[in-house]
Amino acid sequence: GNSVTQMEGPVTLSEEAFLTINCTYTATGYPSLFWYVQYPGEGLQLLLKATKADDKGSNKGFEATYRKETTSFHLEKGSVQVSDSAVYFCALSNTNAGKSTFGDGTTLTVKP
Amino acid sequence: GAVVSQHPSRVICKSGTSVKIECRSLDFQATTMFWYRQFPKKSLMLMATSNEGSKATYEQGVEKDKFLINHASLTLSTLTVTSAHPEDSSFYICSAPRAGGPTYEQYFGPGTRLTVT
Repeated sequence: GNSVTQMEGPVTLSEEAFLTINCTYTATGYPSLFWYVQYPGEGLQLLLKATKADDKGSNKGFEATYRKETTSFHLEKGSVQVSDSAVYFCALSNTNAGKSTFGDGTTLTVKP
Repeated sequence: GAVVSQHPSRVICKSGTSVKIECRSLDFQATTMFWYRQFPKKSLMLMATSNEGSKATYEQGVEKDKFLINHASLTLSTLTVTSAHPEDSSFYICSAPRAGGPTYEQYFGPGTRLTVT
């Protein structure tokens, strides 16, 4: 079956530091890959996505590239802000309209 | 603005009572919706797939008689937690896929915090 393995947290960084959150997956076929963000007390919001190999998803300074050869979709940001403090979930879905499989989430705290 | 809503956002109920949670797609139709459960500091676990006009599909280990799902219209799915117990306390989140050109995007509701006392 499908599974997503995400870098364990929590991660604490200083403002303007570089962020990487690792994500690897196991899936049948060619899934779509997603990063979601959950701010305290709120629901999930789609941060970025990639639907095929070598695609790069990007949004709000965050990027992730769909690497089929390493089955990875690592999230990166060059300079984090305090407002980026949240829980980040890597996820996959075999079809965009289908159910999603989530990683365990990584809590990011950015200190000023 | 939000495209998927949930109601209520928070609910506290006594052990043994039943609680209904609604999930609505606000400006699109969804023949399928998904219900997830999120434990504190944990990931989302898929509970079931809600299918409009037919029975829900439950994931392994989820009691269908305890978590009743009804998808009565193309914009509404409900999850009823029957005879709730403290261990049912959790954050319940629904999602619905919305077509956007050739692909779909999953939209998640804001979640419902259930506390059973």
